[in-house]
Amino acid sequence: GENVEQHPSTLSVQEGDSAVIKCTYSDSASNYFPWYKQELGKGPQLIIDIRSNVGEKKDQRIAVTLNKTAKHFSLHITETQPEDSAVYFCAVSSGNTGKLIFGQGTTLQVKP
Amino acid sequence: SAVISQKPSRDICQRGTSLTIQCQVDSQVTMMFWYRQQPGQSLTLIATANQGSEATYESGFVIDKFPISRPNLTFSTLTVSNMSPEDSSIYLCSVEDGGSMNTEAFFGQGTRLTVV
Repeated sequence: GENVEQHPSTLSVQEGDSAVIKCTYSDSASNYFPWYKQELGKGPQLIIDIRSNVGEKKDQRIAVTLNKTAKHFSLHITETQPEDSAVYFCAVSSGNTGKLIFGQGTTLQVKP
Repeated sequence: SAVISQKPSRDICQRGTSLTIQCQVDSQVTMMFWYRQQPGQSLTLIATANQGSEATYESGFVIDKFPISRPNLTFSTLTVSNMSPEDSSIYLCSVEDGGSMNTEAFFGQGTRLTVV
């Protein structure tokens, strides 16, 4: 079955710096790659996603890149702010089942 | 995006009892899912809730322990049966919005369950 590895597990940056979180996956049939942000006591919030026919997608300070050949994708957050502090999860889906396989999560701390 | 309401938001239960969690969506959705998030861990899919038929369970999860209902396209329940402390987790309802292949998946706020 699909296996998703996420790194790093924790990340601490200064406000204004960039943060990058990387995920690798094993199933070459995977075609949908969302990223979720989870704040304490809340459910995961979809922040950006990318599909297999696109290499990069950007939404203001957040971007995601996908390398299908190498089977990895990354979340980039620029100009980080303290409110970006949260746990971030990557996920992978294949076909039209709608089922998501999640990475282990990255705890991002943005220091003011 | 769909608005998902889960009840209860949290509960503390005695071992050996059962708890039913409700998930209500403000619009009809094709697919609904239940996930478990153990303390400090990632999310693991329990099952796909199928409208009008039995749920499809992932490896390691069985219907006797986690019975699921989905009577219509906007509502589902997950029961955690015969609970033990190992069942202490956050249980999350998720829906796919749009009805077509690989549309966005959204999550409820979760139910934080503690079994004592």
